[in-house]
Amino acid sequence: AQSVTQPDIHITVSEGASLELRCNYSYGATPYLFWYVQSPGQGLQLLLKYFSGDTLVQGIKGFEAEFKRSQSSFNLRKPSVHWSDAAEYFCAVAPGRSKSTFGDGTTLTVKP
Amino acid sequence: DTGVSQNPRHKITKRGQNVTFRCDPISEHNRLYWYRQTLGQGPEFLTYFQNEAQLEKSRLLSDRFSAERPKGSFSTLEIQRTEQGDSAMYLCASSPPGQGSYEQYFGPGTRLTVT
Repeated sequence: AQSVTQPDIHITVSEGASLELRCNYSYGATPYLFWYVQSPGQGLQLLLKYFSGDTLVQGIKGFEAEFKRSQSSFNLRKPSVHWSDAAEYFCAVAPGRSKSTFGDGTTLTVKP
Repeated sequence: DTGVSQNPRHKITKRGQNVTFRCDPISEHNRLYWYRQTLGQGPEFLTYFQNEAQLEKSRLLSDRFSAERPKGSFSTLEIQRTEQGDSAMYLCASSPPGQGSYEQYFGPGTRLTVT
């Protein structure tokens, strides 16, 4: 069975600083990987996805993520954080069109 | 708005009552998913439909829970004899047909509070 670990429950960064959110997954084959963002009381919005090909994927809102098979990781990055990026971020893995398995999320706080 | 919609957005009910939630997926999306999310955790899979067929159910989905998608369009999730432990956000997502279309588009959720 697949699983996802997001080691950081809460991260605080200053506005304009760089950001990296960690995600480690467990899955027997090549996974489909996703990052979602959730604002308080809202549903999840897809930031980016990885299915195959180039291991560095670009998403919306200036985010990118890098798939590293050897480390079973799919870390999310942003070079310069904006106050509006404060939210909860979820990493997910799926075997295909079936269910996604999510991590428990990382809450991002942005200091002015 | 052509996104996934869910109704109601909030539901407060007393323990033992039945509740029903509705999800309208994005038009022409043939796959529909239900998840449950509690505070401080990521969404947990409940069930999944392809068209009107329910293809997978989680063990989390006890016999008090039932989901339908009768015509392959909207879906309903019913919880019978609600318990306080059912309090959570219930999220619906849909996904389009076709090769390479694996991402899921989420609705805003229905927050259930059982008192």
